[in-house]
Amino acid sequence: NAGVTQTPKFRVLKTGQSMTLLCAQDMNHEYMYWYRQDPGMGLRLIHYSVGEGTTAKGEVPDGYNVSRLKKQNFLLGLESAAPSQTSVYFCASSYGSGVKGETQYFGPGTRLLVL
Amino acid sequence: DQQVKQNSPSLSVQEGRISILNCDYTNSMFDYFLWYKKYPAEGPTFLISISSIKDKNEDGRFTVFLNKSAKHLSLHIVPSQPGDSAVYFCAASGGFKTIFGAGTRLFVKA
Repeated sequence: NAGVTQTPKFRVLKTGQSMTLLCAQDMNHEYMYWYRQDPGMGLRLIHYSVGEGTTAKGEVPDGYNVSRLKKQNFLLGLESAAPSQTSVYFCASSYGSGVKGETQYFGPGTRLLVL
Repeated sequence: DQQVKQNSPSLSVQEGRISILNCDYTNSMFDYFLWYKKYPAEGPTFLISISSIKDKNEDGRFTVFLNKSAKHLSLHIVPSQPGDSAVYFCAASGGFKTIFGAGTRLFVKA
């Protein structure tokens, strides 16, 4: 049982380049999330999904797109990377929305540096 | 507008003593409050939670206290151990959203 995995672990991009971050979970969770973590800012929600084929915007969605074509996968895309997108990105999943205290399970993170 | 605030970026405690991490929130509609622990180069992991209808929840060395009138919660770790050194995130969930605080880095000195 791998839990939540993220690919890649680390990436360096030049401004304007594009890339896709892959998240996979093997817990059959309905809910999946993408966060970014920046110093002094905590975890900020970028986009989330409440089930296969659905996506919704979080707190900081600009410059990112997502897709949830399969229940176990949640992809985060950067179409034209900017230095402000240098961050650590975490994917998470949960079986519920959190209204009953359901916890989120996090991946190990992807460190992205945009030059 | 930060709905969940952890005002102490870091805390240093001697091994064996009590660690108290604090968290304040602004929205009365949150249903649950959670604490996550994060080690370097790893993702956060769930530690302990409390429902908004309770004022205390205990799990081994970890206890979370909730003061709804003050919109304040705290995590107590007794006794603190060097392995507890990590970043602790406070989170509040409600209305299909979970909002995280900025985190407090705990150092437990041996």
